[in-house]
Amino acid sequence: DVKVTQSSRYLVKRTGEKVFLECVQDMDHENMFWYRQDPGLGLRLIYFSYDVKMKEKGDIPEGYSVSREKKERFSLILESASTNQTSMYLCASTPLSLEHGYTFGSGTRLTVV
Amino acid sequence: GENVEQHPSTLSVQEGDSAVIKCTYSDSASNYFPWYKQELGKGPQLIIDIRSNVGEKKDQRIAVTLNKTAKHFSLHITETQPEDSAVYFCAASNFGNQFYFGTGTSLTVIP
Repeated sequence: DVKVTQSSRYLVKRTGEKVFLECVQDMDHENMFWYRQDPGLGLRLIYFSYDVKMKEKGDIPEGYSVSREKKERFSLILESASTNQTSMYLCASTPLSLEHGYTFGSGTRLTVV
Repeated sequence: GENVEQHPSTLSVQEGDSAVIKCTYSDSASNYFPWYKQELGKGPQLIIDIRSNVGEKKDQRIAVTLNKTAKHFSLHITETQPEDSAVYFCAASNFGNQFYFGTGTSLTVIP
């Protein structure tokens, strides 16, 4: 069964901490994405990557960075966590063509206190 | 860029009734429209999709219709069951870099 795995289901971090959210896919997909999900706002794209070491900003990249050193792994980094980054974070992947939709991970619920 | 609007934001139906969720999109170049179901505590899962060369697609109790002229598409769930309760997202893409999502519909099926 193919899947996207997010390393943590729940995280609680303090304001100002550097936070790493990890995502691994086993489908040899080229594209990987990070979204945040907030009530009433739906899914908003933070960053995506279409190849190793490549990254593109999404709609809300401020306060975030990403790293893709290997094809299967895409990391989201909160450089200095703030309370307004409390959210559900979803990782997704697709083949290069996007023809079959995203495969999502189960999400990481991050609380910044 | 693309703008996808989704209505209603919440929907309650009696078990056995039908549920309809509607989405509109702005970019006429969009040609692929997936629907996702997100159950509590899980990531969204693709349940059905439609491409712009097709007007309707059905899979058991769920169906999706597409009106390219009006730029809207809809999800229809018939004979609803309590396990259909979830948040549903529509999305649109022109097979470019990403999908654009609606804001979600929370469906509750009342037994």
